[in-house]
Amino acid sequence: NAGVTQTPKFQVLKTGQSMTLQCAQDMNHEYMSWYRQDPGMGLRLIHYSVGAGITDQGEVPNGYNVSRSTTEDFPLRLLSAAPSQTSVYFCASSYNRQGVPYEQYFGPGTRLTVT
Amino acid sequence: TQLLEQSPQFLSIQEGENLTVYCNSSSVFSSLQWYRQEPGEGPVLLVTVVTGGEVKKLKRLTFQFGDARKDSSLHITAAQPGDTGLYLCAGPPSSSYDKVIFGPGTSLSVIP
Repeated sequence: NAGVTQTPKFQVLKTGQSMTLQCAQDMNHEYMSWYRQDPGMGLRLIHYSVGAGITDQGEVPNGYNVSRSTTEDFPLRLLSAAPSQTSVYFCASSYNRQGVPYEQYFGPGTRLTVT
Repeated sequence: TQLLEQSPQFLSIQEGENLTVYCNSSSVFSSLQWYRQEPGEGPVLLVTVVTGGEVKKLKRLTFQFGDARKDSSLHITAAQPGDTGLYLCAGPPSSSYDKVIFGPGTSLSVIP
């Protein structure tokens, strides 16, 4: 049981490049989410999904796209990288309790630098 | 303005001391979770509190959910160096129950 896995662990991009951060979970959780973590800001919600085929915006969605074609996978796409997107990105999954996400499990993170 | 506020932002104490960190909001939350995060790793869930007034204990850690479900506290008794880390509260606000929002965290350092 691997839990939540993320790839890559580290990435350096040039301004304007695009890339996809991968996230997969093997716990059959319906709910998945992406956060970014910056110093002093805690974790900020980028996008989330309550189930396959359903995605929605979080607190800071601009510049990012997501899709959820399967229960297991929830990739995050950076369309045109900007230095402001330099951050640590975490993917999480949880089961739902009466429609509310409950107890999230996090991946190890992807450290992204945009130059 | 963040939906969840945490205080203090930083805390440095000697081993053996007691401490309390706070998580506050003007909004009602369906539940509140506490996580601990160590450098270079993802947050790890410590506890979830669901009912207003609920108290949960995890060894030397005591968690309380406010009666109005707008605040929570984490009390650590006889802190140890292994308690060092970033403590984060999070939860889905009742107004948008499908989003889990995090506070900015309290960075705790326990000095041997």
